[in-house]
Amino acid sequence: NAGVMQNPRHLVRRRGQEARLRCSPMKGHSHVYWYRQLPEEGLKFMVYLQKENIIDESGMPKERFSAEFPKEGPSILRIQQVVRGDSAAYFCASSPRSTSGSRFSYNEQFFGPGTRLTVL
Amino acid sequence: GQNIDQPTEMTATEGAIVQINCTYQTSGFNGLFWYQQHAGEAPTFLSYNVLDGLEEKGRFSSFLSRSKGYSYLLLKELQMKDSASYLCAVKGGAAGNKLTFGGGTRVLVKP
Repeated sequence: NAGVMQNPRHLVRRRGQEARLRCSPMKGHSHVYWYRQLPEEGLKFMVYLQKENIIDESGMPKERFSAEFPKEGPSILRIQQVVRGDSAAYFCASSPRSTSGSRFSYNEQFFGPGTRLTVL
Repeated sequence: GQNIDQPTEMTATEGAIVQINCTYQTSGFNGLFWYQQHAGEAPTFLSYNVLDGLEEKGRFSSFLSRSKGYSYLLLKELQMKDSASYLCAVKGGAAGNKLTFGGGTRVLVKP
């Protein structure tokens, strides 16, 4: 009964390199969310995906960042030409389906352990 | 836009009660969540409110007033292991699913 899996757990990159972060949702979950947490700050929403579709990318920086959730395989958050300001913890969450916000069906988002990206 | 406010830090004594307040202003509302996050770990779900009123779950309770844009998390019989950050998050957004988090409240439980 695996939870949300993320790998790698720690990633070190030099400025200008590419970072690829992977997220495998919980079994049966078709919705994936990526959040970024800078040191000593709260989580900031980045992107919400369903299989093969980006639903909401309002939190994604306009450049260098992209995300996908293919039909097969994990969701990937890709950061090109990393800079020191990209150093953060990146959390992935998954939920089974969309919600209308009913009292008994809230479809909480389950978080993975995070990938801690350090840019040297 | 979304704006979520909660205190930065609170200190309490083991066995006591602590109340963490959260106020929000959002363009869409699909429920309010409380998460607990220990340092260096993932957030874990504590509670969910979408209707006004109090939800009780063991030592933790959460209250919501939608008209006031206000929620609180109540932690009773504090234990040392409750030392953590507590995150208030509002669900909403264009697709209705994204969570907007407050900055988190760091609770320190002292013996």
